[in-house]
Amino acid sequence: DARVTQTPRHKVTEMGQEVTMRCQPILGHNTVFWYRQTMMQGLELLAYFRNRAPLDDSGMPKDRFSAEMPDATLATLKIQPSEPRDSAVYFCASGYRALAKNIQYFGAGTRLSVL
Amino acid sequence: KNEVEQSPQNLTAQEGEFITINCSYSVGISALHWLQQHPGGGIVSLFMLSSGKKKHGRLIATINIQEKHSSLHITASHPRDSAVYICAVITGSNYKLTFGKGTLLTVNP
Repeated sequence: DARVTQTPRHKVTEMGQEVTMRCQPILGHNTVFWYRQTMMQGLELLAYFRNRAPLDDSGMPKDRFSAEMPDATLATLKIQPSEPRDSAVYFCASGYRALAKNIQYFGAGTRLSVL
Repeated sequence: KNEVEQSPQNLTAQEGEFITINCSYSVGISALHWLQQHPGGGIVSLFMLSSGKKKHGRLIATINIQEKHSSLHITASHPRDSAVYICAVITGSNYKLTFGKGTLLTVNP
């Protein structure tokens, strides 16, 4: 049963620490998305990749956030330094080809708490 | 004002009732997604629509591009349908997703 795998599921850290979240997309999917969900803002698109190339990261605070795809089986989202306002659930999703053509498959999310 | 507005925000129904959740948007879109988020937090993509209607089991999604409106219907609702239903539209050449705030559906037995 193919699924998007995110690690860790939960992360508690102190303000100022680096946080790295990982995502393994479904094999064969060539599009990867990072989303953030908070009570106040709901779901927001942070960044997305097609064929490992970043296509849009306009939703991501550039000063502290970075997203990469070192290979087709791994996407990472880093926050350095982390701040309490970064506390949220971060979802990764993968799909095939363009968003307008295909369903996205979501990971279970990483729940981040920055103290 | 949000680009994507959902109504109602909260909906409580009795098992067996017909449910309608609405989504209105103010921008030109290339497609619209309906997502379901379970109480445990997992998100499932239900439908992707660019025109007309789609049906999957007891779920039906419709879209009217001219009126910038989509509806999600659930027939013969069941307590397991209790979840947050989120509408998301795809805009721009980079396929940017913009989300509604979600509709919390509770179906009581």
